[in-house]
Amino acid sequence: DAGVTQSPTHLIKTRGQQVTLRCSPKSGHDTVSWYQQALGQGPQFIFQYYEEEERQRGNFPDRFSGHQFPNYSSELNVNALLLGDSALYLCASSQGTGWEQFFGPGTRLTVL
Amino acid sequence: AQKVTQAQTEISVVEKEDVTLDCVYETRDTTYYLFWYKQPPSGELVFLIRRNSFDEQNEISGRYSWNFQKSTSSFNFTITASQVVDSAVYFCALSRRPGSSNTGKLIFGQGTTLQVKP
Repeated sequence: DAGVTQSPTHLIKTRGQQVTLRCSPKSGHDTVSWYQQALGQGPQFIFQYYEEEERQRGNFPDRFSGHQFPNYSSELNVNALLLGDSALYLCASSQGTGWEQFFGPGTRLTVL
Repeated sequence: AQKVTQAQTEISVVEKEDVTLDCVYETRDTTYYLFWYKQPPSGELVFLIRRNSFDEQNEISGRYSWNFQKSTSSFNFTITASQVVDSAVYFCALSRRPGSSNTGKLIFGQGTTLQVKP
């Protein structure tokens, strides 16, 4: 049974560019949440998708957007990248919006 | 507002020592969940435990034990007879109960880096 998978593993971009990160949830899970973890910090909630809709959102600007597909996989898009967007981006999946979340290995984004 | 505080930034112990990681939380909810996650150098967050706010019984799982005290809003984690493989960053987290608004959003502390030396 595959767990949560994320791609790519690492990514290097320059300021002003746009990036798309991908996540496939654990089998049987229908909800995907995204977190940003800056170096030396705890993960910060970006948003959560359930039934292909954004259900709740953390304190992140509109440059951060997402999408959930009918197969429950999800994408995180970040536009107009800033140096401060450099972080580990973690995807978590769950069954429903309130249950235990299983995390993927993350995508390390570096913005130069 | 909800908040989780892990005051210990880094802890270093020698193998076989016992170590306790502190977690203090703030919430206005009467029902909530508390979690501990382990993050090894690979980066993936590994789930360790979830506790419901109504269940204040302490829990033991092998060398791991958790002490939940609602009166002091604390949920501390103890590793007995630590091993080198326990070296990682440990996060305490808080969420609202399923069915409430903003449920499913985990509020994490800053994390405690544990180094266990041989």
